[in-house]
Amino acid sequence: RKEVEQDPGPFNVPEGATVAFNCTYSNSASQSFFWYRQDCRKEPKLLMSVYSSGNEDGRFTAQLNRASQYISLLIRDSKLSDSATYLCVVGRGSSNTGKLIFGQGTTLQVKP
Amino acid sequence: ETGVTQTPRHLVMGMTNKKSLKCEQHLGHNAMYWYKQSAKKPLELMFVYSLEERVENNSVPSRFSPECPNSSHLFLHLHTLQPEDSALYLCASSQETGQGFDNEKLFFGSGTQLSVL
Repeated sequence: RKEVEQDPGPFNVPEGATVAFNCTYSNSASQSFFWYRQDCRKEPKLLMSVYSSGNEDGRFTAQLNRASQYISLLIRDSKLSDSATYLCVVGRGSSNTGKLIFGQGTTLQVKP
Repeated sequence: ETGVTQTPRHLVMGMTNKKSLKCEQHLGHNAMYWYKQSAKKPLELMFVYSLEERVENNSVPSRFSPECPNSSHLFLHLHTLQPEDSALYLCASSQETGQGFDNEKLFFGSGTQLSVL
C-alpha cells in the first residue's frame, strides 16, 4: 500500500461546479497534513494546511478524518484558474527533518 | 525576487558529462532539500540538509552528490548520469523548529528540467 494515495484523475468539471478530492494515508502516527497545488511545468506551492477541526480558505475547504485516515479538499464555484494538479502531503509522524510524503497528485481541468 | 531560486531552468547533458544544479534561498530558512519528480510519479525526497548538516539520504545513487556550503545555498553535482535520471529536480527550503505540525511548510524553487541523452 502506498504511504499516500490519490486518484490521479483527471477530473473534468465545468466552471462553477463543486469538486472534491480525497487522499488516504497509511501511517496512523502522521500529525501534519497539507494540500499543495502544482501547475503544469511549475513547482508545487502550498495551498493550505489541514487541521483536525477542518478549515476553510475562501472557496477551498479541507477536512481530516483520522479514524479513516483520509483528508479531503473541496473546491466550490470552480474557476478556470483552478486547473492544476493538487498534491496531498502527509507528515511521517517522526521528529526528523524532511518527513513529508507526497501523493502522486490529482489533476483538475475546469472547462468553460 | 522569488524566495527560492534554482539554476539552470533546463539542462541537457550526455551520460559522460559533469554538471551542477544550484539553489539559493532568500527566506532565512534552516533546512534545504532536493526532490526528484519523474513523470506520473510522486515527488521523491533525495537529500535533506538541516543547519548545513545532511540529515537524510534516501538511497540515492552516488552519481548524485549534494553540497551545502551554508544555510542559503545548495548544490547537486551530477556525473555519469543515466537516461532514467531525466526528470524535474526541485529544490526546497523550510524553517524547522522541531515542534512538528505546521512548521514543515516547504517552499520550492522553479526546478531544473534535466534531460540525459
